[in-house]
Amino acid sequence: QKEVEQNSGPLSVPEGAIASLNCTYSDRGSQSFFWYRQYSGKSPELIMSIYSNGDKEDGRFTAQLNKASQYVSLLIRDSQPSDSATYLCAVNIFGSASGTYKYIFGTGTRLKVLA
Amino acid sequence: EAQVTQNPRYLITVTGKKLTVTCSQNMNHEYMSWYRQDPGLGLRQIYYSMNVEVTDKGDVPEGYKVSRKEKRNFPLILESPSPNQTSLYFCASSHHKEGGYTFGSGTRLTVV
Repeated sequence: QKEVEQNSGPLSVPEGAIASLNCTYSDRGSQSFFWYRQYSGKSPELIMSIYSNGDKEDGRFTAQLNKASQYVSLLIRDSQPSDSATYLCAVNIFGSASGTYKYIFGTGTRLKVLA
Repeated sequence: EAQVTQNPRYLITVTGKKLTVTCSQNMNHEYMSWYRQDPGLGLRQIYYSMNVEVTDKGDVPEGYKVSRKEKRNFPLILESPSPNQTSLYFCASSHHKEGGYTFGSGTRLTVV
């Protein structure tokens, strides 16, 4: 089982709809959670971080974290064609044995917003 | 402007010829990492550094070296590059161990 799993997509949504992106993780030592957006040929850009259970909203983006079920999701409201990109989920895991943090990325979900 | 600067952006080299990819950040971040990104495999961590002179291996460290002599710089060294190191490389930095990363623009390396 991969440590961080995402559906590769593509996820296609019409312009103006809500895009829902999901990510599951396997390590219960996971401490913090992130969503990055990566346009084709560009570097990843941090768009959301979430550290505790519940929802966190920032503009059209909402991150949702459920530690009991080990998933984190990203909702994009009023999706625009400019939101078309690959969305990467990342998890920061604290290893109690090693005393260090490990930052793991999922392989990403490609989102296509259709005009 | 706060940024992570990598050089070069593109590099084609031959097997066995030592190379260095430079990375510099101007945000006074303690944490820095190197990742490689390959189709279907996503971003995999090569090495990371928690502060000056403190580095540790990530998931795919074989064939790579790093150093952190100054807080702002974190070069990636390939002593004897091989074709399986052909990839897109990203340097990234973060202000604390639980924070999100700021990425550099990437270095596309081809080893022939």
